[in-house]
Amino acid sequence: NAGVTQTPKFQVLKTGQSMTLQCAQDMNHNSMYWYRQDPGMGLRLIYYSASEGTTDKGEVPNGYNVSRLNKREFSLRLESAAPSQTSVYFCASSEVQRARFNEQFFGPGTRLTVL
Amino acid sequence: AQSVTQLGSHVSVSEGALVLLRCNYSSSVPPYLFWYVQYPNQGLQLLLKYTTGATLVKGINGFEAEFKKSETSFHLTKPSAHMSDAAEYFCAVSDRETGGFKTIFGAGTRLFVKA
Repeated sequence: NAGVTQTPKFQVLKTGQSMTLQCAQDMNHNSMYWYRQDPGMGLRLIYYSASEGTTDKGEVPNGYNVSRLNKREFSLRLESAAPSQTSVYFCASSEVQRARFNEQFFGPGTRLTVL
Repeated sequence: AQSVTQLGSHVSVSEGALVLLRCNYSSSVPPYLFWYVQYPNQGLQLLLKYTTGATLVKGINGFEAEFKKSETSFHLTKPSAHMSDAAEYFCAVSDRETGGFKTIFGAGTRLFVKA
């Protein structure tokens, strides 16, 4: 039982390059999330997928796209990377039911540097 | 809209001393509240959560938090700090206005433990 896995762990891009961050969970959770973490700003939600087949914007979606490939996998794509997207990216998953709490399980993160 | 404020970006305590990390929230509906811990170069892990019922919540590693509705607070405490408690701690509120799919995180408090 690996929980939430993310690839790659580290990545360096040049401005304008594209890349996809991969995330997978083996807990059969319905909901998945992508966050970015920047110093002094906590975690900010980029996109989330409440269930397979749906995606919605979070707090900071500009410059990103997502794909919920199946129930297990949720990818984040940067089409044209910018230095402002240098950050640590976390994927998370949870089992959400209405009127039930929303505990999230996090992956180990991807450290992305855009030069 | 819901929000979370953590007072103090850095807290330093001596080993064996009381740990107190402060968190205040705003919410127009009864909140679900969480504390997560992040060790260096890792993802976040759930420490404890409040949903309904008893307002004093016990978590892992000897931590506990008390939900005080009148003060809109959910402060995290531990009677005696250990060196292994050094980490960053995040208070979070689950956005029940959107069915719990979004979690709003505070900016984090880094805890230092001195020998």
